[in-house]
Amino acid sequence: EAGVAQSPRYKIIEKRQSVAFWCNPISGHATLYWYQQILGQGPKLLIQFQNNGVVDDSQLPKDRFSAERLKGVDSTLKIQPAKLEDSAVYLCASSLFGTGGHEQYFGPGTRLTVT
Amino acid sequence: GQNIDQPTEMTATEGAIVQINCTYQTSGFNGLFWYQQHAGEAPTFLSYNVLDGLEEKGRFSSFLSRSKGYSYLLLKELQMKDSASYLCAVREKDYKLSFGAGTTVTVRA
Repeated sequence: EAGVAQSPRYKIIEKRQSVAFWCNPISGHATLYWYQQILGQGPKLLIQFQNNGVVDDSQLPKDRFSAERLKGVDSTLKIQPAKLEDSAVYLCASSLFGTGGHEQYFGPGTRLTVT
Repeated sequence: GQNIDQPTEMTATEGAIVQINCTYQTSGFNGLFWYQQHAGEAPTFLSYNVLDGLEEKGRFSSFLSRSKGYSYLLLKELQMKDSASYLCAVREKDYKLSFGAGTTVTVRA
């Protein structure tokens, strides 16, 4: 089966610019996650969707980050305006269930560099 | 919130055994995962423990002690391709997954 797809793979922008990332989860996976992974750290959950509803966005910096999953399938994550500290890999993951399902499948990530 | 601690780096020789320890503190434990992440790639699932004891899967085994807040990942018969970062992740009652910073394992010939 096809894995989690993400685009773009790499993005370089200047601070104060905006950027958007796209994710297409594994077909049939109801739960979608966006993580931020700063170099040398583990992934940090930004937002979790169950179908098209938000389950957890407690760690999403809502003054500059937004995410949507309008049709309950693919999702976009936006940063506006970007800061230097947003330089990281943004990982999208999906799982069959948000509860009880054992593993999350990760996409290849988008490496963002803010200069 | 979570406190998840694991060593930053470990080095071992090809064919040897390495044990990566992970300690955690949580108010509502609901499972522990180990993921492997090669440089520049996405994490991939290795193992899952929710009950105490040892889970074995080929060359990799994972152990959990809930009372001690402790887990380890055991890698046997190390191969060069096992050089990667190994992430310990704890799931809480609300099913939120929190990751440790990862342990970089370097396998030398």
